[in-house]
Amino acid sequence: DTAVSQTPKYLVTQMGNDKSIKCEQNLGHDTMYWYKQDSKKFLKIMFSYNNKELIINETVPNRFSPKSPDKAHLNLHINSLELGDSAVYFCASSLGTVGSNQPQHFGDGTRLSIL
Amino acid sequence: QKEVEQNSGPLSVPEGAIASLNCTYSDRVSQSFFWYRQYSGKSPELIMSIYSNGDKEDGRFTAQLNKASQYVSLLIRDSQPSDSATYLCAVNMYGGSQGNLIFGKGTKLSVKP
Repeated sequence: DTAVSQTPKYLVTQMGNDKSIKCEQNLGHDTMYWYKQDSKKFLKIMFSYNNKELIINETVPNRFSPKSPDKAHLNLHINSLELGDSAVYFCASSLGTVGSNQPQHFGDGTRLSIL
Repeated sequence: QKEVEQNSGPLSVPEGAIASLNCTYSDRVSQSFFWYRQYSGKSPELIMSIYSNGDKEDGRFTAQLNKASQYVSLLIRDSQPSDSATYLCAVNMYGGSQGNLIFGKGTKLSVKP
């Protein structure tokens, strides 16, 4: 199936741990994104990569480090997890950059819970 | 501060009625506008995109854009219980290759049988 897929779907871990979330898209898109959706359902962009290059880096703690080994993959590593990091993290992709006006397609989300 | 505003609802309509969802945005130069539907516990799903002033129809959905008023709306005709979800308005702010898609906080729609 063509899609944006992310793993794991659920992640429950202790405060202070380091964890990674992986994302892959087989849509042939050029740009990939990470969003955070908090408990109030507000969806906010964190990072955007176009052809492996970082193009958007919103005000996110530097404990969050994205990595794009190729344009089909964008992973998110989080160091020293905090309670406030509990949220759903969505990966998305689009053809071209945001400025090209193409819609974004979302993965199923990773539900991160910090104990 | 670039913002997208939506009434959080819940908006409750009876089955078969027209549901009207509204969205205003702050950036006058925005070029593209999207409506996403998000069921509880699921990911946002694109249902409409609109780029020009006026109406755009797709099945039971009509998106309306008024750039002068910085206003975009979504009408759902013949609402069905399966339309019950949160509807997210998203606006491309800034334009250009460094644009940023800003989401509203969503309007929760409930369609009663």
